[in-house]
Amino acid sequence: GESVGLHLPTLSVQEGDNSIINCAYSNSASDYFIWYKQESGKGPQFIIDIRSNMDKRQGQRVTVLLNKTVKHLSLQIAATQPGDSAVYFCAENRGGSYIPTFGRGTSLIVHP
Amino acid sequence: GAVVSQHPSWVICKSGTSVKIECRSLDFQATTMFWYRQFPKQSLMLMATSNEGSKATYEQGVEKDKFLINHASLTLSTLTVTSAHPEDSSFYICSARGEDSAGNTIYFGEGSWLTVV
Repeated sequence: GESVGLHLPTLSVQEGDNSIINCAYSNSASDYFIWYKQESGKGPQFIIDIRSNMDKRQGQRVTVLLNKTVKHLSLQIAATQPGDSAVYFCAENRGGSYIPTFGRGTSLIVHP
Repeated sequence: GAVVSQHPSWVICKSGTSVKIECRSLDFQATTMFWYRQFPKQSLMLMATSNEGSKATYEQGVEKDKFLINHASLTLSTLTVTSAHPEDSSFYICSARGEDSAGNTIYFGEGSWLTVV
């Protein structure tokens, strides 16, 4: 299930399940969005990106959905694996300036 | 793929001293580098944008005299935390923008842990 902790919300899933991580962005002028994965003690890793002229983009086991009407972004991970356990951040670029501004982040915990 | 290297990975310094963190783009030229700060279980907060050959642009609330940023070459940016205090202890992450066909690919370093005692 999903819970909201003091700082980072947490999503716990079983191995093999599909995971959906949500993100609300703030700037309606943002035209480029990125999902990053951050493992403990490491820098963020690029997962997938999407431009504002698209609603959906698929990668390997991951899909990003963009709803500009409600300024919502989601990351879907298919067949979640223990190695997917990490903190996931969405980032938006400030209106063409290509400066990634990070959202709050969600901690994904995958139970074997 | 492109690699951004940070050094040191972790550092412990005494309160009142200064510490420098380096960010290097290893196989590409980065005209723009970004410095972030991250506290445990929190998101990355942009501190400043560093452009090669010019002064850094600091985010609101970030003290430019305390966090000195130098971007002297297309492959190196440095962050110096001056007169460090325990509250400066944090995870500092740099990123660099590479000039590929999209013109906006961002590569992140592995971060540098700073502990001020």
